[in-house]
Amino acid sequence: AQTVTQSQPEMSVQEAETVTLSCTYDTSESDYYLFWYKQPPSRQMILVIRQEAYKQQNATENRFSVNFQKAAKSFSLKISDSQLGDAAMYFCAYRGATSGTYKYIFGTGTRLKVLA
Amino acid sequence: EAGVTQFPSHSVIEKGQTVTLRCDPISGHDNLYWYRRVMGKEIKFLLHFVKESKQDESGMPNNRFLAERTGGTYSTLKVQPAELEDSGVYFCASSQVGKNIQYFGAGTRLSVL
Repeated sequence: AQTVTQSQPEMSVQEAETVTLSCTYDTSESDYYLFWYKQPPSRQMILVIRQEAYKQQNATENRFSVNFQKAAKSFSLKISDSQLGDAAMYFCAYRGATSGTYKYIFGTGTRLKVLA
Repeated sequence: EAGVTQFPSHSVIEKGQTVTLRCDPISGHDNLYWYRRVMGKEIKFLLHFVKESKQDESGMPNNRFLAERTGGTYSTLKVQPAELEDSGVYFCASSQVGKNIQYFGAGTRLSVL
């Protein structure tokens, strides 16, 4: 069975600084998708960034980028130039690419605090 | 375009009572998912609808939970009777057929006292 591990329950970062959130996963599948979602307090969980396992190039979305290490089964999220609005719970998620496999498998989340 | 809407945002009930959670997916999304996060733990999959049919209900904890999606639009998740361990945040998500991105609601926080 696939598992996702987020080893940092909570992280803090100064405004304008850079922070990296870690995520590791375990799977025997060769093709899959990885996601980072963000949930601000009492608001919708939104997609931050997505990575397809067959792509070697790391995904980037503005200030958000990932370090995808397929052999190490690692998928960390780097937030550059942190802003107060980045404060939220961040969840790492895995989805297999096998036909019929639709569910996400999540980690326990990392609460990010941004200090002014 | 409206996102995934969940109602209520918070529900407090006593053990043994019944609660019904509702999810309105994004219009046109045939896939609808329910997940649950128990305090401090990971978000766990409960079940997946394709239109009105249950595609995968492997995550449903027991027969006290009943999910429906009549007409393939909104979905309800009923817990009857509720137990203390049912407390948590229930998330609903939807996606288009053939797409791997799921869009989530804000969740319903259920507190069973």
